[in-house]
Amino acid sequence: GDSVTQMEGPVTLSEEAFLTINCTYTATGYPSLFWYVQYPGEGLQLLLKATKADDKGSNKGFEATYRKETTSFHLEKGSVQVSDSAVYFCALSSYYNQGGKLIFGQGTELSVKP
Amino acid sequence: DAGVIQSPRHEVTEMGQEVTLRCKPISGHDYLFWYRQTMMRGLELLIYFNNNVPIDDSGMPEDRFSAKMPNASFSTLKIQPSEPRDSAVYFCASSPYRDRGLSGYTFGSGTRLTVV
Repeated sequence: GDSVTQMEGPVTLSEEAFLTINCTYTATGYPSLFWYVQYPGEGLQLLLKATKADDKGSNKGFEATYRKETTSFHLEKGSVQVSDSAVYFCALSSYYNQGGKLIFGQGTELSVKP
Repeated sequence: DAGVIQSPRHEVTEMGQEVTLRCKPISGHDYLFWYRQTMMRGLELLIYFNNNVPIDDSGMPEDRFSAKMPNASFSTLKIQPSEPRDSAVYFCASSPYRDRGLSGYTFGSGTRLTVV
């Protein structure tokens, strides 16, 4: 079945460092790909998405490119801030499989130190 | 739009008691999902509804858990009797039918359940 694998955390960075969180997926068909962020004590929020190959999703300085050839959707940010400390979830949704359910990765905790 | 509304935000109950969690989805969203989040198991899909009808409840851990959606604007997740291992954060999420593959889900803020 469809699945998502993320790099294990926690990831600890200093402020203004470059961030990469790796995400790879397995899916039949052509899924949509998402990154969600969960701040402490809150629910998951959609951060960005991409719906077809080579699309780049971006929001709040974060970017991810849908790479079909490597089945990847890595999250990047050029300069992280303390306020980016959160848990990040990669997810996929395939309309034609599993009824469009979102399949989540296990989450990667990011801690940014001043 | 007020988003997905969950209540209560926190619930502390004694083992053996009945617990009811509530969710109001975004108006017009046809899909509703219940998730459970723990440190050990991460985010688990318990059950989801389409147009108030349960579609897949294979994630419900056991018969002590039940979920209903009596109308398009309200759903409940009930645990009876509750056990300490049910302690977790329970999230509700909703999604519109036609673009659920494109827009993803909108999550509520969750209910933190502690069973002592």
